Amino acid sequence: GNSVTQMEGPVTLSEEAFLTINCTYTATGYPSLFWYVQYPGEGLQLLLKATKADDKGSNKGFEATYRKETTSFHLEKGSVQVSDSAVYFCALILYSGAGSYQLTFGKGTKLSVIP
Amino acid sequence: GAVVSQHPSRVICKSGTSVKIECRSLDFQATTMFWYRQFPKQSLMLMATSNEGSKATYEQGVEKDKFLINHASLTLSTLTVTSAHPEDSSFYICSAKLAGVDTQYFGPGTRLTVL
Repeated sequence: GNSVTQMEGPVTLSEEAFLTINCTYTATGYPSLFWYVQYPGEGLQLLLKATKADDKGSNKGFEATYRKETTSFHLEKGSVQVSDSAVYFCALILYSGAGSYQLTFGKGTKLSVIP
Repeated sequence: GAVVSQHPSRVICKSGTSVKIECRSLDFQATTMFWYRQFPKQSLMLMATSNEGSKATYEQGVEKDKFLINHASLTLSTLTVTSAHPEDSSFYICSAKLAGVDTQYFGPGTRLTVL
């Protein structure tokens, strides 16, 4: 089946530090890949996405590149801020037969940024 | 655009009562809506997928008679937790998508506490 593995947290960084959250996936096809962010007490927000190999998704200073050869979609940001403190979920979507569709999430990585 | 709302945001109920949670797509027509459950410090677990005008498809292990899902219109889906018990206490999140688009847009979630 499909699965998403992301690095376990929590991750604690100082403000302006470089962030990498690793994400790898297993899928029986060519999925679309996503990063979602969940701020404390809130639902999920789409952060960025990539739909095919070598695509780069970017938003709010975050980037992730769809690497088919390594089945990875690592999230990066050059300089984190306190406001980036949240839980980050890597996810994939793969269409299966008869038009069915399921979003598979990783377990989430909690990021805490300290001033 | 692509805003999804949920109501209520928090609900506390007594054991044995039923609770209805609404999920609305505010600025688009959602052909498919999804209901997730999120346990503390864990990822989202897909409960069911509902297409407008048809019966919901439940994931394995999810009791369809306990978690009633109705998707009566293209902008509204409801989840009713019937005869709630303390173990049903959780964070319930809905999402919605447009036909032909693979991005899911998430609601802010509903915190259910069953006493």
